Amino acid sequence: SQTIHQWPATLVQPVGSPLSLECTVEGTSNPNLYWYRQAAGRGLQLLFYSVGIGQISSEVPQNLSASRPQDRQFILSSKKLLLSDSGFYLCAWVVGVEQYFGPGTRLTVT
Amino acid sequence: DAKTTQPPSMDCAEGRAANLPCNHSTISGNEYVYWYRQIHSQGPQYIIHGLKNNETNEMASLIITEDRKSSTLILPHATLRDTAVYYCIAVGNNAGNMLTFGGGTRLMVKP
Repeated sequence: SQTIHQWPATLVQPVGSPLSLECTVEGTSNPNLYWYRQAAGRGLQLLFYSVGIGQISSEVPQNLSASRPQDRQFILSSKKLLLSDSGFYLCAWVVGVEQYFGPGTRLTVT
Repeated sequence: DAKTTQPPSMDCAEGRAANLPCNHSTISGNEYVYWYRQIHSQGPQYIIHGLKNNETNEMASLIITEDRKSSTLILPHATLRDTAVYYCIAVGNNAGNMLTFGGGTRLMVKP
């Protein structure tokens, strides 16, 4: 069966520190993968998507970056976090025409 | 992708049917209508999707008008656990099937 993992589940980081969030999927190959962010009290915002290894498209200019080093691995990074980076980060992937979301990482930047 | 419009909030009595409307008047022929819901502090959960025909699964029914400009998600017997924000999204099979979430409808199921 298809499974999507994210870690860590929660993270508290100081302003200016680096960030690395990881997403991995099981049970499929060559999935389309997505990173979303949900700020407190707001809707979901698409950040990045990837249709294959090394292929990243950015939807919103910001201090975040994404990488796809392996077929089933999608990483969200930042060199220096901002307070505005706080939020709930979700990884998602497509199975046919259906999208499924991971459990999410709650990031608090202090 | 087509923009969707939903009421910001709705109430429903427990055990009654919850009918959540969505307008997508600019939907194109290859765009599907998807419904997701997000329970507080959790990731969105896929509910159902459709293109032209009405659809039903174990969670809900989706009624799409003949002109495809609007749809209704029906939860036949709402429970307290159905309290969530429900998102209606229109998305086509291109650009990696990106989802653009609007504000959704906050459904409150009351005892």
